[in-house]
Amino acid sequence: KAGVTQTPRYLIKTRGQQVTLSCSPISGHRSVSWYQQTPGQGLQFLFEYFSETQRNKGNFPGRFSGRQFSNSRSEMNVSTLELGDSALYLCASSFTDGSPIGGSPLHFGNGTRLTVT
Amino acid sequence: EDKVVQSPLSLVVHEGDTVTLNCSYEVTNFRSLLWYKQEKKAPTFLFMLTSSGIEKKSGRLSSILDKKELSSILNITATQTGDSAIYLCAVEGGAGGTSYGKLTFGQGTILTVHP
Repeated sequence: KAGVTQTPRYLIKTRGQQVTLSCSPISGHRSVSWYQQTPGQGLQFLFEYFSETQRNKGNFPGRFSGRQFSNSRSEMNVSTLELGDSALYLCASSFTDGSPIGGSPLHFGNGTRLTVT
Repeated sequence: EDKVVQSPLSLVVHEGDTVTLNCSYEVTNFRSLLWYKQEKKAPTFLFMLTSSGIEKKSGRLSSILDKKELSSILNITATQTGDSAIYLCAVEGGAGGTSYGKLTFGQGTILTVHP
């Protein structure tokens, strides 16, 4: 079974630009979550999607947004990039029936390394 | 605010040694505790511990959840150089919809195993 696939692997952008990252979950997984990983803050939750609906959101500014398509693939967008947005962005999927107590672990992709100059 | 603290932050051992990594947590409506191993890329899932399963074992790795002490340990016996990685502890919790897809991670333990 293929794992979580993220594209692109690396991105270099300039301050003020916007960027779109893509994630394909494990087949059969309907929940997709996004995380930001930095050396200083570690792994921080951005948002979660299930059946094309955002169900949960972390404490990030509105410049960070996402969406999920009917095939469960997800994209996240960051607008008006800042230097502090440089990070590894990880997507994770899980097999859940949608209940709060899913009991299913998150499986992570290899991430997109975003560098903002 | 939910909080997960891991110790030690880094550890250097020699092949064959046994290591114990610690994780303590404070979270509303605890649901599960997870351990991940991260090398250069994706965190790889190791164990999930819940109220119904407080001890897990896989090969040389084992983990125990102590719900009374709000903590967990990850043991690695007969360490190998391939065990060198960052070990992350994460907790799932929160009230209702605030738990969807959200794990609160500790800062990680960097384990280095020398030949």
